[in-house]
Amino acid sequence: EPEVTQTPSHQVTQMGQEVILRCVPISNHLYFYWYRQILGQKVEFLVSFYNNEISEKSEIFDDQFSVERPDGSNFTLKIRSTKLEDSAMYFCASRQDRNEQFFGPGTRLTVL
Amino acid sequence: KQEVTQIPAALSVPEGENLVLNCSFTDSAIYNLQWFRQDPGKGLTSLLLIQSSQREQTSGRLNASLDKSSGRSTLYIAASQPGDSATYLCAARPNQAGTALIFGKGTTLSVSS
Repeated sequence: EPEVTQTPSHQVTQMGQEVILRCVPISNHLYFYWYRQILGQKVEFLVSFYNNEISEKSEIFDDQFSVERPDGSNFTLKIRSTKLEDSAMYFCASRQDRNEQFFGPGTRLTVL
Repeated sequence: KQEVTQIPAALSVPEGENLVLNCSFTDSAIYNLQWFRQDPGKGLTSLLLIQSSQREQTSGRLNASLDKSSGRSTLYIAASQPGDSATYLCAARPNQAGTALIFGKGTTLSVSS
């Protein structure tokens, strides 16, 4: 069964460094998402992407964050200058028109 | 602003028991509601999606119901097994142009053999 994949599974970085989290959505899906989950807290929406542009973003998704679909298969989240509070599990998700969102296994980001 | 709450936060049951997990949402005008399973340190596995026009959905031993007027959804697990031990999350999609899911904090289920 097709699934969303994410790399790396764990990323450790120093505060102030840039990180890029990568996702390969399910191939025939059109809508792409990033969510994050800080340890012990709810899963929170960051951004949605459709037709090569951001369709919705939350208050969390400030100028430090950006998303890109550099080719036909990858979807990336970039954090320009990481802060300690960016430490979280980051999930990519995708969906077709059927509305069900399918999530990847996540990337655990640790900012030191 | 939509808020999603799940009670209880944790539940322990013996194997074989039938159980119900609860999810409530503050704004009844939702587009759909999705239930997920999350194993420790892992991703979210979609279990069931209920559209706003539906009352329930079933998949194997799982049955999810939706009552928009009361702002509630339940996930019924029949004949629980130790392999069902996980955190169960519900997420509502608000009835608007946006498609972001709003999550509850989850119920952590432990099924003992």
